[in-house]
Amino acid sequence: GAGVSQSPSNKVTEKGKDVELRCDPISGHTALYWYRQSLGQGLEFLIYFQGNSAPDKSGLPSDRFSAERTGGSVSTLTIQRTQQEDSAVYLCASSLSQGADEKLFFGSGTQLSVL
Amino acid sequence: AQSVTQLGSHVSVSEGALVLLRCNYSSSVPPYLFWYVQYPNQGLQLLLKYTSAATLVKGINGFEAEFKKSETSFHLTKPSAHMSDAAEYFCAVNQGFKTIFGAGTRLFVKA
Repeated sequence: GAGVSQSPSNKVTEKGKDVELRCDPISGHTALYWYRQSLGQGLEFLIYFQGNSAPDKSGLPSDRFSAERTGGSVSTLTIQRTQQEDSAVYLCASSLSQGADEKLFFGSGTQLSVL
Repeated sequence: AQSVTQLGSHVSVSEGALVLLRCNYSSSVPPYLFWYVQYPNQGLQLLLKYTSAATLVKGINGFEAEFKKSETSFHLTKPSAHMSDAAEYFCAVNQGFKTIFGAGTRLFVKA
Protein backbone atom coordinates (compact mmCIF):
# COMPACT_ATOMS: atom_id res chain seq x y z
CA GLY A 1 0.00 0.00 0.00
CA ALA A 2 0.96 3.64 -0.10
CA GLY A 3 1.58 3.94 3.62
CA VAL A 4 1.65 2.00 6.87
CA SER A 5 -1.82 0.74 7.66
CA GLN A 6 -3.02 -0.14 11.15
CA SER A 7 -6.27 -1.74 12.23
CA PRO A 8 -8.48 -1.25 14.03
CA SER A 9 -8.13 2.50 14.45
CA ASN A 10 -9.99 2.28 17.74
CA LYS A 11 -10.53 -0.64 20.10
CA VAL A 12 -12.53 -0.66 23.29
CA THR A 13 -12.27 -3.79 25.39
CA GLU A 14 -13.03 -5.02 28.85
CA LYS A 15 -10.33 -5.71 31.40
CA GLY A 16 -9.14 -9.30 31.14
CA LYS A 17 -9.93 -9.74 27.45
CA ASP A 18 -7.30 -10.40 24.78
CA VAL A 19 -6.80 -7.99 21.88
CA GLU A 20 -4.97 -8.19 18.56
CA LEU A 21 -3.63 -5.15 16.77
CA ARG A 22 -2.58 -5.37 13.16
CA CYS A 23 0.06 -3.52 11.16
CA ASP A 24 0.56 -3.66 7.40
CA PRO A 25 3.89 -1.97 6.55
CA ILE A 26 4.91 -0.28 3.34
CA SER A 27 5.63 -2.88 0.68
CA GLY A 28 9.33 -3.71 0.55
CA HIS A 29 10.16 -2.36 4.00
CA THR A 30 12.14 -4.99 5.87
CA ALA A 31 12.15 -3.37 9.29
CA LEU A 32 9.01 -3.00 11.41
CA TYR A 33 8.60 -1.40 14.82
CA TRP A 34 5.90 -1.21 17.47
CA TYR A 35 5.71 1.74 19.86
CA ARG A 36 3.26 2.70 22.59
CA GLN A 37 2.22 6.31 23.08
CA SER A 38 0.68 7.11 26.43
CA LEU A 39 -0.69 10.51 27.33
CA GLY A 40 2.17 12.87 28.10
CA GLN A 41 4.80 10.12 27.97
CA GLY A 42 6.16 10.19 24.46
CA LEU A 43 6.81 7.04 22.48
CA GLU A 44 7.86 3.88 24.26
CA PHE A 45 9.70 1.28 22.15
CA LEU A 46 8.09 -2.16 22.34
CA ILE A 47 9.60 -4.46 19.73
CA TYR A 48 11.49 -4.47 16.44
CA PHE A 49 11.38 -6.91 13.52
CA GLN A 50 13.94 -7.42 10.79
CA GLY A 51 12.16 -9.63 8.29
CA ASN A 52 10.25 -12.18 10.35
CA SER A 53 12.65 -12.29 13.27
CA ALA A 54 12.56 -10.07 16.33
CA PRO A 55 16.11 -9.41 17.48
CA ASP A 56 14.97 -6.94 20.10
CA LYS A 57 11.98 -7.63 22.32
CA SER A 58 13.39 -5.64 25.21
CA GLY A 59 10.60 -3.12 25.28
CA LEU A 60 7.68 -5.48 25.79
CA PRO A 61 6.24 -4.47 29.19
CA SER A 62 5.27 -7.95 30.36
CA ASP A 63 4.72 -11.51 29.18
CA ARG A 64 1.14 -10.56 28.39
CA PHE A 65 2.51 -8.79 25.31
CA SER A 66 3.65 -10.69 22.23
CA ALA A 67 4.12 -9.94 18.56
CA GLU A 68 4.75 -11.81 15.39
CA ARG A 69 5.42 -11.03 11.78
CA THR A 70 4.71 -13.38 8.94
CA GLY A 71 5.96 -13.37 5.36
CA GLY A 72 8.16 -10.40 6.15
CA SER A 73 5.08 -8.21 5.94
CA VAL A 74 2.05 -8.01 8.24
CA SER A 75 2.62 -7.91 11.99
CA THR A 76 0.25 -8.58 14.85
CA LEU A 77 0.69 -7.28 18.40
CA THR A 78 -1.29 -9.33 20.92
CA ILE A 79 -2.09 -8.25 24.44
CA GLN A 80 -3.50 -10.96 26.67
CA ARG A 81 -5.60 -10.37 29.77
CA THR A 82 -5.68 -6.63 29.16
CA GLN A 83 -5.33 -4.23 32.08
CA GLN A 84 -6.43 -0.62 32.35
CA GLU A 85 -2.79 0.53 32.25
CA ASP A 86 -2.57 -0.95 28.73
CA SER A 87 -4.79 1.87 27.46
CA ALA A 88 -2.71 3.89 25.01
CA VAL A 89 -2.15 4.50 21.32
CA TYR A 90 -0.16 1.69 19.73
CA LEU A 91 1.90 2.89 16.78
CA CYS A 92 3.51 0.82 14.09
CA ALA A 93 6.33 2.05 11.88
CA SER A 94 8.37 0.58 9.08
CA SER A 95 11.62 1.47 7.36
CA LEU A 96 13.33 0.34 4.20
CA SER A 97 16.18 -1.26 6.10
CA GLN A 98 17.70 -1.28 9.57
CA GLY A 99 20.30 1.39 8.88
CA ALA A 100 20.97 3.82 11.71
CA ASP A 101 20.04 6.80 9.54
CA GLU A 102 16.86 5.29 8.16
CA LYS A 103 13.70 7.28 8.72
CA LEU A 104 10.58 5.66 10.05
CA PHE A 105 7.19 5.76 8.35
CA PHE A 106 4.39 5.63 10.88
CA GLY A 107 0.82 4.43 10.73
CA SER A 108 -1.99 6.42 12.33
CA GLY A 109 -2.10 4.09 15.30
CA THR A 110 -4.66 2.04 17.21
CA GLN A 111 -6.27 3.78 20.17
CA LEU A 112 -6.80 1.05 22.78
CA SER A 113 -9.15 1.69 25.68
CA VAL A 114 -9.45 -0.91 28.42
CA LEU A 115 -12.51 -0.44 30.60
CA ALA B 1 23.09 4.23 25.65
CA GLN B 2 21.74 7.07 23.58
CA SER B 3 18.87 9.24 24.78
CA VAL B 4 17.23 12.59 24.13
CA THR B 5 15.67 15.13 26.47
CA GLN B 6 13.15 17.67 25.28
CA LEU B 7 12.91 20.78 27.42
CA GLY B 8 9.34 21.95 27.82
CA SER B 9 6.30 19.75 27.32
CA HIS B 10 4.33 22.75 26.00
CA VAL B 11 5.44 25.79 24.04
CA SER B 12 3.12 28.63 23.03
CA VAL B 13 4.00 31.26 20.42
CA SER B 14 2.13 33.92 18.51
CA GLU B 15 1.61 33.57 14.79
CA GLY B 16 4.63 35.05 13.02
CA ALA B 17 6.94 34.64 16.01
CA LEU B 18 10.07 32.53 16.21
CA VAL B 19 9.60 28.87 17.08
CA LEU B 20 12.31 27.26 19.23
CA LEU B 21 11.90 23.70 20.47
CA ARG B 22 14.77 22.38 22.55
CA CYS B 23 16.39 18.96 22.42
CA ASN B 24 19.54 17.73 24.11
CA TYR B 25 21.05 14.35 23.39
CA SER B 26 23.25 11.92 25.20
CA SER B 27 25.39 9.65 23.10
CA SER B 28 28.73 7.94 23.42
CA VAL B 29 29.12 7.81 19.65
CA PRO B 30 28.34 10.30 16.88
CA PRO B 31 24.55 10.26 16.83
CA TYR B 32 21.94 10.16 14.14
CA LEU B 33 19.29 12.67 15.26
CA PHE B 34 15.77 13.26 14.02
CA TRP B 35 12.80 15.54 14.51
CA TYR B 36 9.36 14.09 13.87
CA VAL B 37 6.03 15.93 13.92
CA GLN B 38 2.60 14.57 14.79
CA TYR B 39 -0.35 16.64 13.60
CA PRO B 40 -3.70 16.08 15.33
CA ASN B 41 -5.16 12.66 14.54
CA GLN B 42 -2.28 11.76 12.25
CA GLY B 43 0.76 9.53 12.44
CA LEU B 44 4.25 10.86 13.01
CA GLN B 45 6.20 12.09 10.02
CA LEU B 46 9.81 13.03 9.60
CA LEU B 47 10.66 16.75 9.66
CA LEU B 48 14.42 16.44 9.29
CA LYS B 49 17.40 14.31 10.21
CA TYR B 50 21.06 14.86 11.06
CA THR B 51 23.57 12.34 9.75
CA SER B 52 26.82 14.31 10.16
CA ALA B 53 26.93 15.64 6.60
CA ALA B 54 26.16 19.22 7.74
CA THR B 55 25.52 20.74 11.14
CA LEU B 56 22.61 22.89 9.94
CA VAL B 57 19.82 20.70 8.63
CA LYS B 58 16.85 22.02 6.73
CA GLY B 59 13.57 20.17 6.82
CA ILE B 60 10.06 20.46 5.54
CA ASN B 61 7.67 23.38 6.17
CA GLY B 62 10.48 25.88 6.84
CA PHE B 63 11.90 24.11 9.90
CA GLU B 64 15.60 23.68 10.51
CA ALA B 65 17.80 22.33 13.28
CA GLU B 66 21.43 22.89 14.19
CA PHE B 67 23.65 20.17 15.61
CA LYS B 68 25.95 21.59 18.29
CA LYS B 69 28.33 19.01 19.64
CA SER B 70 29.75 21.35 22.29
CA GLU B 71 26.27 21.81 23.74
CA THR B 72 25.00 18.29 22.89
CA SER B 73 21.96 20.01 21.42
CA PHE B 74 19.79 19.69 18.34
CA HIS B 75 17.21 22.45 18.74
CA LEU B 76 14.44 22.90 16.18
CA THR B 77 13.63 26.38 14.88
CA LYS B 78 11.36 28.15 12.46
CA PRO B 79 11.63 31.92 11.89
CA SER B 80 7.90 32.59 11.65
CA ALA B 81 5.20 30.38 13.14
CA HIS B 82 2.05 29.57 11.21
CA MET B 83 -1.22 28.33 12.65
CA SER B 84 -0.73 25.07 10.78
CA ASP B 85 2.45 24.38 12.78
CA ALA B 86 0.38 23.54 15.85
CA ALA B 87 1.31 19.92 16.57
CA GLU B 88 3.43 17.71 18.78
CA TYR B 89 7.13 17.54 18.00
CA PHE B 90 9.43 14.69 18.93
CA CYS B 91 13.19 14.66 18.98
CA ALA B 92 14.73 11.22 18.45
CA VAL B 93 18.09 9.47 18.34
CA ASN B 94 19.03 6.15 16.83
CA GLN B 95 20.46 3.55 19.17
CA GLY B 96 21.69 0.93 16.77
CA PHE B 97 18.65 -0.13 14.79
CA LYS B 98 16.24 1.31 17.36
CA THR B 99 14.90 4.87 17.38
CA ILE B 100 14.54 6.37 20.86
CA PHE B 101 12.10 9.26 21.19
CA GLY B 102 11.90 12.15 23.59
CA ALA B 103 8.74 12.86 25.54
CA GLY B 104 7.54 15.37 22.97
CA THR B 105 6.77 19.10 22.96
CA ARG B 106 3.31 20.33 22.08
CA LEU B 107 3.41 23.58 20.12
CA PHE B 108 0.49 25.99 20.40
CA VAL B 109 0.22 28.88 17.94
CA LYS B 110 -1.89 31.87 18.93
CA ALA B 111 -3.56 34.12 16.38
